[in-house]
Amino acid sequence: GAGVSQSPSNKVTEKGKDVELRCDPISGHTALYWYRQSLGQGLEFLIYFQGNSAPDKSGLPSDRFSAERTGGSVSTLTIQRTQQEDSAVYLCASSLDGGYSNQPQHFGDGTRLSIL
Amino acid sequence: AQSVSQHNHHVILSEAASLELGCNYSYGGTVNLFWYVQYPGQHLQLLLKYFSGDPLVKGIKGFEAEFIKSKFSFNLRKPSVQWSDTAEYFCAVNAGYGGSQGNLIFGKGTKLSVKP
Repeated sequence: GAGVSQSPSNKVTEKGKDVELRCDPISGHTALYWYRQSLGQGLEFLIYFQGNSAPDKSGLPSDRFSAERTGGSVSTLTIQRTQQEDSAVYLCASSLDGGYSNQPQHFGDGTRLSIL
Repeated sequence: AQSVSQHNHHVILSEAASLELGCNYSYGGTVNLFWYVQYPGQHLQLLLKYFSGDPLVKGIKGFEAEFIKSKFSFNLRKPSVQWSDTAEYFCAVNAGYGGSQGNLIFGKGTKLSVKP
């Protein structure tokens, strides 16, 4: 079946511009997670959605980062006024039910973001 | 705060050699433990997981891991590696109680290179 889909796969933008990253989870998965993978930092948790609400945004690095999820499905991660330190691979994962943490998470291919 | 340590940054082995990748975590409560693998150019895939029960868990492709609670460890093993096992391996943990949001805390990863 279809896995987690992320777009774009690559994004190059100038410092100061806004970017939007999209995640389409596996159908029926109520939990959705955003992570960031950068050199030297490994994989860091950003935000968690259960349905359309985000009970935990504690991983968002600054107020330039925001995310939303609509219809219990697609999520967008927005980074405003991008900085060079935002360059990373942004990964999305979904799981059947985030209320049971033993549900395995399924990852997308990620969006590689490069800030010039 | 929870953290995960992977002891080796890069491991180089010849085919048929045995593999053990170390993983230690710090968290005082019940945990769920995971190993994910990222083959070159592919997304993160679940290799195996431990939730409860037998501390020796078997995953795909001949991998296994042993949870040793007293050592806060979850080391990954394979008796005989193949060239196709060349990949990056990530250990991850989340809080293992019901109602948890399930976001994963990852180690920084270990790159495995297998020489044919």
